Amino acid sequence: GQQVMQIPQYQHVQEGEDFTTYCNSSTTLSNIQWYKQRPGGHPVFLIQLVKSGEVKKQKRLTFQFGEAKKNSSLHITATQTTDVGTYFCAGNTGGGNKLTFGTGTQLKVEL
Amino acid sequence: DAGITQSPRHKVTETGTPVTLRCHQTENHRYMYWYRQDPGHGLRLIHYSYGVKDTDKGEVSDGYSVSRSKTEDFLLTLESATSSQTSVYFCAISGVDSSYEQYFGPGTRLTVT
Repeated sequence: GQQVMQIPQYQHVQEGEDFTTYCNSSTTLSNIQWYKQRPGGHPVFLIQLVKSGEVKKQKRLTFQFGEAKKNSSLHITATQTTDVGTYFCAGNTGGGNKLTFGTGTQLKVEL
Repeated sequence: DAGITQSPRHKVTETGTPVTLRCHQTENHRYMYWYRQDPGHGLRLIHYSYGVKDTDKGEVSDGYSVSRSKTEDFLLTLESATSSQTSVYFCAISGVDSSYEQYFGPGTRLTVT
């Protein structure tokens, strides 16, 4: 079955440093979504990427979808303590509504 | 936040007992999902529903059953709970637009002793 891996599993940064998490799928994806889960909370939708090579920005967050539509990345510029949480990618192989979630990257930001 | 509630929010039960978790939505969304979240595994799909009485298995469906008799309610049942089913369970919903972004409930923490 489809597998979606994320690296790194954990990342500790100093506030102000940049952060990147990478997502790799074993199969070609029709689209990819990103979610953020704060400690003790539930996953919250951030964005969806659909097109090959697509890049989208949300303030300090930059999302990319690979040319082959099998990988994606999330980059945070100048992290803040509010960025703390676990970031998940979730891939859709087409045929509608089922997502396969990556294993997540837990981000901790130290002052 | 989308109108999704889960009940109970916390439950401790003994091995071998049946357990039912409830997900209720007020958004009239077509699709509903049950996931479990465990350290190192992310979110794994247990079952999902694409309409009333229409359900299908996810990747970790063994030991679980579901029912959806109304649009707003999706029930997850553990027929005979085992310690390996100790987990945090999330319900999610999505609509019928092209994005299928999912909205998650607050979660249920289940401990099987």
